[in-house]
Amino acid sequence: GAVVSQHPSWVICKSGTSVKIECRSLDFQATTMFWYRQFPKQSLMLMATSNEGSKATYEQGVEKDKFLINHASLTLSTLTVTSAHPEDSSFYICSANPGGGPYEQYFGPGTRLTVT
Amino acid sequence: SQQGEEDPQALSIQEGENATMNCSYKTSINNLQWYRQNSGRGLVHLILIRSNEREKHSGRLRVTLDTSKKSSSLLITASRAADTASYFCATGAGGTSYGKLTFGQGTILTVHP
Repeated sequence: GAVVSQHPSWVICKSGTSVKIECRSLDFQATTMFWYRQFPKQSLMLMATSNEGSKATYEQGVEKDKFLINHASLTLSTLTVTSAHPEDSSFYICSANPGGGPYEQYFGPGTRLTVT
Repeated sequence: SQQGEEDPQALSIQEGENATMNCSYKTSINNLQWYRQNSGRGLVHLILIRSNEREKHSGRLRVTLDTSKKSSSLLITASRAADTASYFCATGAGGTSYGKLTFGQGTILTVHP
């Protein structure tokens, strides 16, 4: 149980275009999901907290107008990278927890974004 | 922001040996978790230790937590080639930050057969 999926697993887009990444909890409902970014050979950086039915909460330094988050249902959160640039190329990972609270997170397999 | 520092950054050992990774953090925590990441993949949760716990075991894993020193260690005993991966500690705060994790820089473990 507690499986989180992401789609697509990898995407290549041209500079200036927008890309949508989906994060789904397959066997549980999640009122909160988290989006992380990971650059090569680096650690994960929390970008934002996605809240079902309300606005996302962004970490300091993350542009909310560039990284649009929509938590459309209790099993789906989407991250849209708008007007992508090569520096946005990264590994984007989401996480969720079926029980909420300070418990372990279940991570999606990640989405590799390459902006050319 | 990153609050965890891990050492070593890279560890190379032979199969059968033990591997110890250390993690330090800066702020108060509710819990500390260890995750494993195979190259280019998502993270897999290994173990969670709460701030009022000092030691926890799970199979070949042993985690210790010293809140006075703001540090934790992960011990993998009798390592296997399949343990080769990056290992991250992550701290979780309480209150309104439930679920948010702050990750350390990670340790790249290579286990040679």
